Amino acid sequence: AQSVTQLGSHVSVSEGALVLLRCNYSSSVPPYLFWYVQYPNQGLQLLLKYTSAATLVKGINGFEAEFKKSETSFHLTKPSAHMSDAAEYFCAVSHEAGGTSYGKLTFGQGTILTVHP
Amino acid sequence: GAVVSQHPSWVICKSGTSVKIECRSLDFQATTMFWYRQFPKQSLMLMATSNEGSKATYEQGVEKDKFLINHASLTLSTLTVTSAHPEDSSFYICSARQAAGNTIYFGEGSWLTVV
Repeated sequence: AQSVTQLGSHVSVSEGALVLLRCNYSSSVPPYLFWYVQYPNQGLQLLLKYTSAATLVKGINGFEAEFKKSETSFHLTKPSAHMSDAAEYFCAVSHEAGGTSYGKLTFGQGTILTVHP
Repeated sequence: GAVVSQHPSWVICKSGTSVKIECRSLDFQATTMFWYRQFPKQSLMLMATSNEGSKATYEQGVEKDKFLINHASLTLSTLTVTSAHPEDSSFYICSARQAAGNTIYFGEGSWLTVV
């Protein structure tokens, strides 16, 4: 079984400050890991994904995440927050890395990011 | 880029009626699609895996007779909520797995309100 834990349901930062959203996973097999963003009343947009290549993954909108196997973490960061980054962010793990069930995602609880002027 | 479209985006139905939500991959073939449900202020929970030409695989606790899934073609999966009740009100979102490259794309989601 796989699980994802996002530490902090709400994170608040000032515009221009570092964004750090935490994600820890549990998986019995090498995981595929994802970060998605959801704006109000919209679907999910993929920010980035880890698929066993480089441990530091760069995504869209200046976000990046680092896969740390020893810490079972995949934290999302952005050096400088923009007002437009305010949204809810979900970390997810794939049930099977590359298998026929690839795409069955287990999501974390979500973290709402608020950006203050 | 690849797009997955859901229809309708918003639907209100009366308790006891059925409502159908469509998930279409617009420019790629999707042999596998996934249906998720998101209750307010909660995360997304996988309901079922939809495979083209075969029966859907439901997650534990999801009633297959209530949530009918049909994946009749490589570009369309439908979720029908039968005999809907207010507790079925939720945000339903699908994703499609592109056969080439193992990429996953999400639809925009569908808000269902049962009154």
